[in-house]
Amino acid sequence: AQRVTQPEKLLSVFKGAPVELKCNYSYSGSPELFWYVQYSRQRLQLLLRHISRESIKGFTADLNKGETSFHLKKPFAQEEDSAMYYCALTSSGGSNYKLTFGKGTLLTVNP
Amino acid sequence: KAGVTQTPRYLIKTRGQQVTLSCSPISGHRSVSWYQQTPGQGLQFLFEYFSETQRNKGNFPGRFSGRQFSNSRSEMNVSTLELGDSALYLCASSLPGGSTEAFFGQGTRLTVV
Repeated sequence: AQRVTQPEKLLSVFKGAPVELKCNYSYSGSPELFWYVQYSRQRLQLLLRHISRESIKGFTADLNKGETSFHLKKPFAQEEDSAMYYCALTSSGGSNYKLTFGKGTLLTVNP
Repeated sequence: KAGVTQTPRYLIKTRGQQVTLSCSPISGHRSVSWYQQTPGQGLQFLFEYFSETQRNKGNFPGRFSGRQFSNSRSEMNVSTLELGDSALYLCASSLPGGSTEAFFGQGTRLTVV
């Protein structure tokens, strides 16, 4: 069975500090990994996906297949980064719109 | 381009009743997925429809059902409501093809009393 674990329900950092949101997964096969974000009073939206290998709003995430992890990192947190972050996976290829989500990490960036 | 629209935004129902929720995807998106979000279980996949056919189904009882129309609009139905069905129900639409971005609606908040 596929599973996504986000060990931290809450994470609080100060503005300008580095931030790392952890995500570990369990999946037999080749998964596609995503980070979704939900800002206050906004809808859930894609932040980044591992296949794009891009940096969005200063965030990056590297897929580590050996450690089955996909941690989200940002070197200098901003107050506007405060939001709920969800790690998610789906199977690569084919009809694969079934996203398995972690339970989320609420990030608070303090001034 | 209009986003994913879910109606109604809020619903209060009594145990034993049934409810129908609606989702209008982004124009051109033929895949529609439904998720249940609760504080305890988080976001859980219900089912996914593509071209009026259910392609994937999550681990939910048969009381949860859905359908998709030729214009890609989708409905989900929950029969014989239970208190535990109280949740935020999210709909997401995607373009056809591999692992593309899912665009989410704002959800329907269902409260069962």
